[in-house]
Amino acid sequence: VQLVQSGGDLVQPGGSLRLSCVASQFTFSDYWMNWVRQAPGRGLEWVATIKEDGSERYYLASVRGRFTVSRDNTKNSLILQLSRLRLEDTAVYYCARGAIAGHGATRINYDSWGQGSLVTVSS
Amino acid sequence: QSVLTQPPSASGTPGQTVTISCSGSNSNIGSNYVSWFQQVPGTAPKLLIYWNDQWPSGVPDRFSGSKSGTSASLAISGLRSEDEADYYCATWDESLSGVVFGGGTKVTVL
Repeated sequence: VQLVQSGGDLVQPGGSLRLSCVASQFTFSDYWMNWVRQAPGRGLEWVATIKEDGSERYYLASVRGRFTVSRDNTKNSLILQLSRLRLEDTAVYYCARGAIAGHGATRINYDSWGQGSLVTVSS
Repeated sequence: QSVLTQPPSASGTPGQTVTISCSGSNSNIGSNYVSWFQQVPGTAPKLLIYWNDQWPSGVPDRFSGSKSGTSASLAISGLRSEDEADYYCATWDESLSGVVFGGGTKVTVL
């Protein structure tokens, strides 16, 4: 199982950014996928979850309406579109594989993680 | 302030057993499975325990998880120097409709 991330960058407050996570070595369309972030020196914070077919999405309250999680099962890719970025969104963002289809978003067996993408929001 | 409460630190000598607690409520731990993650600083988290007490392949059984009511715990037996890391509990919260993590516990091997 491999998850390779790209897209982290320095961005000004109010700006936008697109994070990508490309999966390989497993059937991507069979799994829920997730984003988790970690601010510098802080703990883990869940950001978003998307069902295997994209029909269900869940967001952390503070990012709802600003971030959008999506997936392209034909390209084995997971996307997190970040907009109206705030200073407090500065963090390393990880993608993580979740539960297999048939299980729900409540099964937190995040067994494979990407390498992380650093998003820095600063003027 | 995290929804799930963990002690900030724990320690033990090699060979000892260290136990980390994770306290929540009926809307999270009380009604959903708990997972535990290990994170060495500067690296991605690693799944240690899922569905309260299950091991992913490759995780030694020195790590064990349990849950009772609105609390869960992770025990590390036969403590080794390579167990020095940060440990996080996580579960789904029905009220928030999202995943909640504990604040993390830093384990030090003395």
